[in-house]
Amino acid sequence: DQQVKQNSPSLSVQEGRISILNCDYTNSMFDYFLWYKKYPAEGPTFLISISSIKDKNEDGRFTVFLNKSAKHLSLHIVPSQPGDSAVYFCAALDYSFSGSARQLTFGSGTQLTVLP
Amino acid sequence: DVKVTQSSRYLVKRTGEKVFLECVQDMDHENMFWYRQDPGLGLRLIYFSYDVKMKEKGDIPEGYSVSREKKERFSLILESASTNQTSMYLCASSLGHQAYEQYFGPGTRLTVT
Repeated sequence: DQQVKQNSPSLSVQEGRISILNCDYTNSMFDYFLWYKKYPAEGPTFLISISSIKDKNEDGRFTVFLNKSAKHLSLHIVPSQPGDSAVYFCAALDYSFSGSARQLTFGSGTQLTVLP
Repeated sequence: DVKVTQSSRYLVKRTGEKVFLECVQDMDHENMFWYRQDPGLGLRLIYFSYDVKMKEKGDIPEGYSVSREKKERFSLILESASTNQTSMYLCASSLGHQAYEQYFGPGTRLTVT
């Protein structure tokens, strides 16, 4: 059973408008969340992250919101640009985990298409 | 600038062949990871290594093994390739025990016929 879910496989928005990508998680031990962006034929690249002690983190056009009670996070891109067209993966980890290395649990991804 | 490279971008192998996927990182990272990416399933962790010669199973280790003889190199081995191992394979690395940000290679598209 997937612990991190991205229920929308695809999203299309007009250039200049807001893109909202959603992610839900079920594991209450997750307390740190990341978004990765992936272009075709390239590996994922880190975009933005948020700790569970915050409910919002902003970096330029990208803002991530976290609702811990709903176990839900979202990535907002404003304004959206054609170059933002990519697959976006949500990832989560248990920050307190004291094993040998931190492991990320990824969602299934959402293909964002920004139309010119 | 972190660089993770993978030996092949595309690979076609026959069922039953032994397959080696190589990954090299140049930033002296302790941790290295192998994932496979499949439509609708996202990235799933196969194996990871937190030190030379050390390895741990991820979520889907069956049918795979790994080798880490040098810090910069992490190999994924398919002992006897099967068609259900056709996938995109992604290697990643991260700096140390506390590190959460992983840096990915470009991926290897493996097709098993």
